[in-house]
Amino acid sequence: NAGVMQNPRHLVRRRGQEARLRCSPMKGHSHVYWYRQLPEEGLKFMVYLQKENIIDESGMPKERFSAEFPKEGPSILRIQQVVRGDSAAYFCASSPSRGGSYEQYFGPGTRLTVT
Amino acid sequence: EDKVVQSPLSLVVHEGDTVTLNCSYEVTNFRSLLWYKQEKKAPTFLFMLTSSGIEKKSGRLSSILDKKELFSILNITATQTGDSAIYLCAVDNQAGTALIFGKGTTLSVSS
Repeated sequence: NAGVMQNPRHLVRRRGQEARLRCSPMKGHSHVYWYRQLPEEGLKFMVYLQKENIIDESGMPKERFSAEFPKEGPSILRIQQVVRGDSAAYFCASSPSRGGSYEQYFGPGTRLTVT
Repeated sequence: EDKVVQSPLSLVVHEGDTVTLNCSYEVTNFRSLLWYKQEKKAPTFLFMLTSSGIEKKSGRLSSILDKKELFSILNITATQTGDSAIYLCAVDNQAGTALIFGKGTTLSVSS
């Protein structure tokens, strides 16, 4: 059973460009969570999605950031017009159901560097 | 505001030592507490604790939860260099959908 897959593992973008991060949950998991980790900081929740639905986006910056989890294909976290402060590791996690009764399993992360 | 605080932030020990990592929390509707180990990539799941006083063990690692005093500890006995990692504590509150993470404890085990 493959784990959570994320790609790319490393992404370099110039200021003003767009970044698209992809996440394929574990087989059988229908819940996806995106977290951001800044240096010396813990993981910070960004958004929680189920197929075709955003359930909770309370951790997402109001501008430039969006996420989707289409019926077919991976979940995508999109950052438009990136700035240097967006440089971070972005982790995706999945669970078979809402967190609590089930632990969340994490992908290897995408390390975004904005130059 | 819900929060999770881990201590110490970093720790350096010698191989064979025993370490105790601490995690205290303040959440409105506690459901479970989770420990993860993060090396260079994905945080990997260690334990999930929901009840006070019941120790969970996996090899040299063990953890216990105290819901009255709102904390958990993670013990590692006979440490090895492969235990060097960041140990993350997270809490699930019933009101939210996400895990609330502490900043982690960076453990370095020297040979």
